[in-house]
Amino acid sequence: DVKVTQSSRYLVKRTGEKVFLECVQDMDHENMFWYRQDPGLGLRLIYFSYDVKMKEKGDIPEGYSVSREKKERFSLILESASTNQTSMYLCASTEQGNTEAFFGQGTRLTVV
Amino acid sequence: QKEVEQNSGPLSVPEGAIASLNCTYSDRGSQSFFWYRQYSGKSPELIMSIYSNGDKEDGRFTAQLNKASQYVSLLIRDSQPSDSATYLCAPTNSWGKLQFGAGTQVVVTP
Repeated sequence: DVKVTQSSRYLVKRTGEKVFLECVQDMDHENMFWYRQDPGLGLRLIYFSYDVKMKEKGDIPEGYSVSREKKERFSLILESASTNQTSMYLCASTEQGNTEAFFGQGTRLTVV
Repeated sequence: QKEVEQNSGPLSVPEGAIASLNCTYSDRGSQSFFWYRQYSGKSPELIMSIYSNGDKEDGRFTAQLNKASQYVSLLIRDSQPSDSATYLCAPTNSWGKLQFGAGTQVVVTP
């Protein structure tokens, strides 16, 4: 059974904290993605990676960075959390090419 | 202009009727097109994929693609209460960049 696992289901952080969201996939997929989802806005792409140490900005990269040191792990970093980063964060992975995406269970982040 | 546009809904559909969902996209490099269903509080799950112009049927679902018009649609026949969800259109380009529309909420009423 394929699996994408996000490190936390719920997270509460303070403004200004550095926040790490971790995502691990066990399918040997080349591509990994980080999205945030807000009501009425759908899934917005923050960053994606098509190989180890490779990354591309998505539509809303400001305030975020990513790290992919190993193929199975893709980390999203909020350098200095702000209240407008309160959101649901979803990680996904796909094989190289145009294939089905598998999603993690999501992390509900609240920044207070 | 958004890269992927969908009617936001909610789309109210009587049980047993056909739900029709539309999606337009701006990236002419898009090669693969996916429809995901997302129940409230859950992650998206794939329900249909389509790669070439025309229709593709899978059970009660039919996807239609017109690349010249940059348009893809999803029909849900014999709508059931379990079809009540948000449906996300996701065109993907040749190197796998996966982007989503804002989604259309479907509400199937008994």
